[in-house]
Amino acid sequence: DAKTTQPNSMESNEEEPVHLPCNHSTISGTDYIHWYRQLPSQGPEYVIHGLTSNVNNRMASLAIAEDRKSSTLILHRATLRDAAVYYCILSVYNFNKFYFGSGTKLNVKP
Amino acid sequence: GAVVSQHPSWVICKSGTSVKIECRSLDFQATTMFWYRQFPKQSLMLMATSNEGSKATYEQGVEKDKFLINHASLTLSTLTVTSAHPEDSSFYICSESSASGSLDTQYFGPGTRLTVL
Repeated sequence: DAKTTQPNSMESNEEEPVHLPCNHSTISGTDYIHWYRQLPSQGPEYVIHGLTSNVNNRMASLAIAEDRKSSTLILHRATLRDAAVYYCILSVYNFNKFYFGSGTKLNVKP
Repeated sequence: GAVVSQHPSWVICKSGTSVKIECRSLDFQATTMFWYRQFPKQSLMLMATSNEGSKATYEQGVEKDKFLINHASLTLSTLTVTSAHPEDSSFYICSESSASGSLDTQYFGPGTRLTVL
């Protein structure tokens, strides 16, 4: 299963943009890139996912490198509610198993 | 996104008893559901894949006789922890997915905290 590598933790100031990196050098052509976040004692919350092109939604943007070996989740203006563990996950289309890595714990300072 | 509920949200039981956790898809017919386990300060670990109307597929190292999974309908999957022991205390989370249409991702339930005394 393709693995992802993320920094253990990052810190951001409130109302500033945050760029969360993820390396997935063993990604294959049919692997989707998913991002989720998890607050303590809650299930993971869907943030965004994509295959090749950059994606935007109301929560975040996903920038995917041209070779697809890395991606970056962009929170345009961090709020205190964005403090969570962010997971970058790869899955094969139509075979949607998720193997979670250790994720990045984002701390947002007021 | 899709809405998934779990019941109960927390449960405390004595060692040796069995506990059933329900996972419901409230607004979507989920052909596939997944069960995860998460120990404190650790990441989620996939336990099994539950397909409606067929036997669950377990990940390596997960005892299928201990963690019984039933997915009898498109909206309900259950996980039964049989003969629970303190080491089974964990946060159990389910998710739903569909291989059809545009729902090529997963939506997670809120989790069930199991404490075995």
